[in-house]
Amino acid sequence: SQQGEEDPQALSIQEGENATMNCSYKTSINNLQWYRQNSGRGLVHLILIRSNEREKHSGRLRVTLDTSKKSSSLLITASRAADTASYFCATDGTGFQKLVFGTGTRLLVSP
Amino acid sequence: ETGVTQSPTHLIKTRGQQVTLRCSSQSGHNTVSWYQQALGQGPQFIFQYYREEENGRGNFPPRFSGLQFPNYSSELNVNALELDDSALYLCASSSEMGNSPLHFGNGTRLTVT
Repeated sequence: SQQGEEDPQALSIQEGENATMNCSYKTSINNLQWYRQNSGRGLVHLILIRSNEREKHSGRLRVTLDTSKKSSSLLITASRAADTASYFCATDGTGFQKLVFGTGTRLLVSP
Repeated sequence: ETGVTQSPTHLIKTRGQQVTLRCSSQSGHNTVSWYQQALGQGPQFIFQYYREEENGRGNFPPRFSGLQFPNYSSELNVNALELDDSALYLCASSSEMGNSPLHFGNGTRLTVT
């Protein structure tokens, strides 16, 4: 069973708009990570945020973490058509590098 | 630097058969994990190997087994295939350093008929 739930399940926006995805999880964590997957291929690591961090930036990505609410959000600013993919949050609550993935958000960015 | 490679890319098997999937980890990585991803779902952890020993297992039956070799490449074996085993099987390698991310291969798409 999946530990995490992502919201929304699907998101459709225009190029240049911002995209926000949310993730909730169930157990305590050491870190939370976000991955991207293009149409059934392998996952690509985007960003990792430690449990003692509240916000982290990487290029056009901004991740927040609220451990009291067991939730995280991923913001992609100024989205591009190439950002079209599925995005997953993953936590290590069951052990070091034994990740538990959420159900994913499918993002469609139209030109 | 060589990334994670998996073979084959696609495979069709019949219920009851056995299958072996292969993974070459990224150079410098000594930990390999396997995940199963059903259509429309997130990946689920099967097991992890560290220095040739199983180092944790998810909620999968014993007919899912694995190996890691001295060069850190790995195999996933599934016996007595069932229709529900149809999925994308992903291999991921990582170093043992704390908080290091997983590097995934492109997966093997297994279809059981």
